Amino acid sequence: AQSVAQPEDQVNVAEGNPLTVKCTYSVSGNPYLFWYVQYPNRGLQFLLKYITGDNLVKGSYGFEAEFNKSQTSFHLKKPSALVSDSALYFCAVSLMNTGFQKLVFGTGTRLLVSP
Amino acid sequence: GAVVSQHPSWVICKSGTSVKIECRSLDFQATTMFWYRQFPKQSLMLMATSNEGSKATYEQGVEKDKFLINHASLTLSTLTVTSAHPEDSSFYICSAKRYKGQGEDTQYFGPGTRLTVL
Repeated sequence: AQSVAQPEDQVNVAEGNPLTVKCTYSVSGNPYLFWYVQYPNRGLQFLLKYITGDNLVKGSYGFEAEFNKSQTSFHLKKPSALVSDSALYFCAVSLMNTGFQKLVFGTGTRLLVSP
Repeated sequence: GAVVSQHPSWVICKSGTSVKIECRSLDFQATTMFWYRQFPKQSLMLMATSNEGSKATYEQGVEKDKFLINHASLTLSTLTVTSAHPEDSSFYICSAKRYKGQGEDTQYFGPGTRLTVL
């Protein structure tokens, strides 16, 4: 089965420190990978995606993610966390057998950045 | 930009009534829209995929007679929860993909609609 795993329910980091939110995937073929962020009672905001090309993808708000095919990972990173980055983060994969139509989401990781 | 709106943002209704939720792509054409529901502290679960001018494709376990989806134009899809019951209370989120010709693969999400059925 094709799936996305976010092994951490919550990540705590102090403001100014680097942050990493982990994501691994299990799919057939080449995946399209996405990161979204959700603030309380809001929809999801697109952060970045990997389709092909450079393994390091830069996105919105200073976030970046590295596609690692050998480790089947797509971890989200930011060099210096802000308190305002505190939110729920979802990793998602788009499936080739659906014509890259459907997104399958991980369970989400809550990021808490302390002042 | 790629802005998707939903209306209403929240709704409270009595058990047995029907509720319609609108999803609009404001600044792009969306041949495909998706409807998700999200329970508290859980991930998004895809309910159905809606293509403009054709019938929606429902995920396994989603009752199509209960969750009616209409995608009448390239900028509007509606979800109607018929004969709502308390267990239908949830956060409903739509998303839209740009028209294929624009070469875009990203889904853009609406702000969500909180449905509470009393």
